[in-house]
Amino acid sequence: AQSVTQLDSQVPVFEEAPVELRCNYSSSVSVYLFWYVQYPNQGLQLLLKYLSGSTLVKGINGFEAEFNKSQTSFHLRKPSVHISDTAEYFCAVSVRMKTSYDKVIFGPGTSLSVIP
Amino acid sequence: ETGVTQSPTHLIKTRGQQVTLRCSSQSGHNTVSWYQQALGQGPQFIFQYYREEENGRGNFPPRFSGLQFPNYSSELNVNALELDDSALYLCASSSGYRGRNTEAFFGQGTRLTVV
Repeated sequence: AQSVTQLDSQVPVFEEAPVELRCNYSSSVSVYLFWYVQYPNQGLQLLLKYLSGSTLVKGINGFEAEFNKSQTSFHLRKPSVHISDTAEYFCAVSVRMKTSYDKVIFGPGTSLSVIP
Repeated sequence: ETGVTQSPTHLIKTRGQQVTLRCSSQSGHNTVSWYQQALGQGPQFIFQYYREEENGRGNFPPRFSGLQFPNYSSELNVNALELDDSALYLCASSSGYRGRNTEAFFGQGTRLTVV
């Protein structure tokens, strides 16, 4: 069965410091990988995605992530965070099911708090 | 702005009642998925519709049902509401053959409270 683990439920970080949010997944088949951000009382916004090709993926708002197939990881990084980055971050995998649809599995989320 | 709209934004229902949530997909998207997000958790996949047919379902009981209309808008129906159904319900639309999720766009969600 496929699953997504986000190792840190809460990450406090000072403004302008770097941050890494960790994500590991398990799957016996190839997957697409995503990071979404959710601000309070809002839906999910796509930060970035890995479909194929270069393992370093750049997204919006200065975020990037690196796909590591051997470690089944897809960690999210930002070199310098802003107060506005305070939000919930979700890692997700899209798995092709036998009945020809893509099931998206989300991790439990990491709450990023940027401290002034 | 994603173009996916959900209504209503908030809803309070009594245990045992039925509820219908609505989603208007982004223009050109033929696939819609519904998710349940309980407080403090990640979204859980309920089901997916592609061109008006359900083509995938998560671990949710049959009292969770849906519809997709010719204009690709969608409804989520929940019968016999239970307290544990209280959650944020998210709709996501995408395009492609049989809903290949290379990118899904989410609505702002409907917050359902069951009392």
